[in-house]
Amino acid sequence: GNSVTQMEGPVTLSEEAFLTINCTYTATGYPSLFWYVQYPGEGLQLLLKATKADDKGSNKGFEATYRKETTSFHLEKGSVQVSDSAVYFCALSERGSGGSNYKLTFGKGTLLTVNP
Amino acid sequence: DAGVIQSPRHEVTEMGQEVTLRCKPISGHDYLFWYRQTMMRGLELLIYFNNNVPIDDSGMPEDRFSAKMPNASFSTLKIQPSEPRDSAVYFCASSRQGRSYEQYFGPGTRLTVT
Repeated sequence: GNSVTQMEGPVTLSEEAFLTINCTYTATGYPSLFWYVQYPGEGLQLLLKATKADDKGSNKGFEATYRKETTSFHLEKGSVQVSDSAVYFCALSERGSGGSNYKLTFGKGTLLTVNP
Repeated sequence: DAGVIQSPRHEVTEMGQEVTLRCKPISGHDYLFWYRQTMMRGLELLIYFNNNVPIDDSGMPEDRFSAKMPNASFSTLKIQPSEPRDSAVYFCASSRQGRSYEQYFGPGTRLTVT
């Protein structure tokens, strides 16, 4: 079946440092790829997405490029802030039983802590 | 517009008791998902509904778990009897037709079974 593997955390950075969180996936078809973020005490929120190979998703200074040749979707940000401290989940979609709907398969999450 | 609402936010119960978790999805959303999050297993999809109909319950761990969606604005996840290994954070999420990958999560219910 489909699966998502993320780098294990926790990741601790100083403010304004460069961030990379690695994500690789296994899928039988051509999934869409996502990054979700979970702030302390809250549910997950969609951060960015890419629906086909070579697409780049971006939001709030975060970017990730869908690399089919390496089955990867690494999350990057050039300069992190304290407010970026959260858990980040890589996910892929697969067509569900109903045909036109999608289930999400999540990685285990990576905790990011940014210190001032 | 209000987001996904879950209740209770915290639940502590004794082994063997019945537990009911509640969810109100975002108005107009056609899909509703129940997830369980633990340190060991991460985020697991338990069941999801489309237009109030259960589509895939293959993630429901065993017969002690059941979920219902009697109408478009309400769903329950019930555990009977509860066991300590059910301790986790349970999330409800909803999404709209055509964008079911963009799921809006509730704040979760932290369940502790002693």
